[in-house]
Amino acid sequence: AQSVTQLGSHVSVSEGALVLLRCNYSSSVPPYLFWYVQYPNQGLQLLLKYTSAATLVKGINGFEAEFKKSETSFHLTKPSAHMSDAAEYFCAVSDDFGNEKLTFGTGTRLTIIP
Amino acid sequence: DAGVIQSPRHEVTEMGQEVTLRCKPISGHNSLFWYRQTMMRGLELLIYFNNNVPIDDSGMPEDRFSAKMPNASFSTLKIQPSEPRDSAVYFCASSHSYEQYFGPGTRLTVT
Repeated sequence: AQSVTQLGSHVSVSEGALVLLRCNYSSSVPPYLFWYVQYPNQGLQLLLKYTSAATLVKGINGFEAEFKKSETSFHLTKPSAHMSDAAEYFCAVSDDFGNEKLTFGTGTRLTIIP
Repeated sequence: DAGVIQSPRHEVTEMGQEVTLRCKPISGHNSLFWYRQTMMRGLELLIYFNNNVPIDDSGMPEDRFSAKMPNASFSTLKIQPSEPRDSAVYFCASSHSYEQYFGPGTRLTVT
């Protein structure tokens, strides 16, 4: 079964600094990879999705993620952090084709320092 | 589309009572998921339906939990009897092309 590991349960960055949230997937190449964001007292919201069409995926709110097969990674980045980016971020991977179940990572809480 | 709709948004009940959580998925989505989120255990998948049929219920904690999807536009998650350890935020999500869309959640408190 597919799995993802998120490195760092808490990340703090200064406003305007680079945001880097790490995600590694299990060794077999996954069909799809996702990043979701959860703001306080809300459900998870899809940020972006990798479908093998392009290794660099752009999402909403200026976020992007790069699929690197050699490193089994799918890290999330944003060039310049904004206070509104403070939230919890989840990496997720799909199961085999035909099954729409996702396996979520344990989440990374992003704090923005003014 | 209004997105995934869940009701109630908040539920406070006493131990031993029956609790029913409701979900209306996005029209046209074939898959529906129930999750539970707590600080201690994170996000847990409870059950997954495809075309109204339960496909994977391995995450349902015990017999006190049951879920139904009588039609494509409605699902329920029932806890009977409820216990304090069931206190959590319960999310419903529906999906299309592997993209899951989450509802706002129901915050359940069992006293």
